[in-house]
This record gives sequence, structure tokens and C-alpha cells, in this order.
Amino acid sequence: AQRVTQPEKLLSVFKGAPVELKCNYSYSGSPELFWYVQYSRQRLQLLLRHISRESIKGFTADLNKGETSFHLKKPFAQEEDSAMYYCALSAKTSYDKVIFGPGTSLSVIP
Amino acid sequence: EAGVAQSPRYKIIEKRQSVAFWCNPISGHATLYWYQQILGQGPKLLIQFQNNGVVDDSQLPKDRFSAERLKGVDSTLKIQPAKLEDSAVYLCASSFLNEQFFGPGTRLTVL
Repeated sequence: AQRVTQPEKLLSVFKGAPVELKCNYSYSGSPELFWYVQYSRQRLQLLLRHISRESIKGFTADLNKGETSFHLKKPFAQEEDSAMYYCALSAKTSYDKVIFGPGTSLSVIP
Repeated sequence: EAGVAQSPRYKIIEKRQSVAFWCNPISGHATLYWYQQILGQGPKLLIQFQNNGVVDDSQLPKDRFSAERLKGVDSTLKIQPAKLEDSAVYLCASSFLNEQFFGPGTRLTVL
């Protein structure tokens, strides 16, 4: 069965410090992985996806198939990064089934 | 604001009452999703439509929840009768090229 885990419910870092939000998945096929973000009073929105291999707002994430991980990283955290972050997996079946992790609340301390 | 529209934004009902939520996806998006998000958890898929057909409703409690997407555009999700544990935010999303676009959600409180 497909599953996404995010071991940290809460993560606090100081402004300017590096940040890493962990995501692990279980899926027997080739998944597509995403990070979604929800800022205070805003809608859930896509931050980045592994197939695009791009940096968004300074964040990057690399798919590690050996460790079945898709950790989100940023070298220098900013206050505006404080938000709820969800890792998600799309399982390639006959349709695109998406499974979300439980989320990590990131707080950047000024 | 352009994007996925949902109404109402908030709803308070008593247990055993009925409630309905409405969603209008982004124009042209064939896939529509309804999620239930309980406080402190990630979104849980209730039902997924491709045009007006259901492709996944494996986690929909069919004894009390129903959903339809007539004409393959907007959709309604109904709960009848509601239970206390149905208190949650109900999110609607539509997708394009596997990117999901979410509505603002409906916060349901069951007393």
C-alpha cells in the first residue's frame, strides 16, 4: 500500500539557519513526489515537484529512491517560510491517485 | 479570486442533521477531488472524479456520504446524517498535468 510519512509534526528553526523537512514514502512503483505548502489563511498550493528539479523560493528536494525519501531543504530559512508543509505522492495507476502525508508545521524564529 | 470555488466557507450543524457542500473547479480541469482534513492531519481523499465518472471512492463512507459531479463540471458532497467525527475541513481540488489546485475549504463543525 502507498504511504507517506513526515516524522516531525513541528519544526522550529532560527532565521538564517538551514532547514530540512523530512518525507519518506512507501510505494512499489515509480512515484511522482510533491511538496505542497499552506501559509496562514491561504489555500494549500503546490511548492515543487520532483520531476521539475527546480528550486522554488530557495527550496529544493531530491528524490532518493534507495532511501525512499523526498526531503525538502533550504539553506537559509526566512520568516515568510513559516507554514504547514505536506509531502504528497502520486501513484501511477489507471488514474493519478494522490496520497498526502500528515504535514510538518515549520516555524521560523526571527 | 480566480481558482477553485467552494461554498459555504463555514457550517455548524447538530449531529444527525444533513449538510451539503458545493465546489466549482477551474474551467477545463477534468479531474476533481474531495478531501477531508481533520485537525492535525493531512488531507484524506474521499472521492476522485474524472469528468463526471468516479475513479476512486474507496475511502468514502458510503453509508452517510455521497457525491456527484453532474455534467462533469461542479460537484456537491453530502453528508446524511452527520456524526461528531465528521467535524473537519472539506477541501475540493481540481488538477491539471497532475498539479492540484485547491479551494479555500469548508469548515464543518458537528455539535
